[in-house]
Amino acid sequence: DAKTTQPTSMDCAEGRAANLPCNHSTISGNEYVYWYRQIHSQGPQYIIHGLKNNETNEMASLIITEDRKSSTLILPHATLRDTAVYYCIVRVAVKTSYDKVIFGPGTSLSVIP
Amino acid sequence: GAVVSQHPSRVICKSGTSVKIECRSLDFQATTMFWYRQFPKQSLMLMATSNEGSKATYEQGVEKDKFLINHASLTLSTLTVTSAHPEDSSFYICSARGLQVGINGYTFGSGTRLTVV
Repeated sequence: DAKTTQPTSMDCAEGRAANLPCNHSTISGNEYVYWYRQIHSQGPQYIIHGLKNNETNEMASLIITEDRKSSTLILPHATLRDTAVYYCIVRVAVKTSYDKVIFGPGTSLSVIP
Repeated sequence: GAVVSQHPSRVICKSGTSVKIECRSLDFQATTMFWYRQFPKQSLMLMATSNEGSKATYEQGVEKDKFLINHASLTLSTLTVTSAHPEDSSFYICSARGLQVGINGYTFGSGTRLTVV
């Protein structure tokens, strides 16, 4: 899997949009960008994923640059419950025997009242 | 959606004893399960990958005789920490992958906090 780099930590005011960047300059053509988050002392939670096009679901939006070398996860209206560590991971979506989720350090997002 | 149940959520054991952690896929068949370990303020570290009916594949640096993994059925995998010591105290998380969980492919358990005293 390609490596990713994310800022170590970020703050966001409650009610504002949280924009979490991720660089994945060595991403391969068949690799997707996945985002997970981990709230303290819980298991990781899937948020969203994408290949080329921007994606949106009930939790967040994912903006992927045209060259696919970076992406941004957007939480449109951050709440205190969004305080968590956010992990950006690139991997193929095909369930091969070699596919596994490897976590980097992630971004610790603190939503401030 | 796909649910993975992990038990116990917390366990305290004496040094030298063994502890078993269970990971169950509740509404899908988990062809592959993954076990992670997480120390405080660190990211998740993959320990091993297990396919149903096969021996687990351990990541470099993980002792297979200390962390016994059994994946005897498509819905259950267990991790046994043998002869536990205080340095094994950690947060252990399982993840299951199955054909029914769609393109996301992975569902994580809620984790087990192990404290060895």
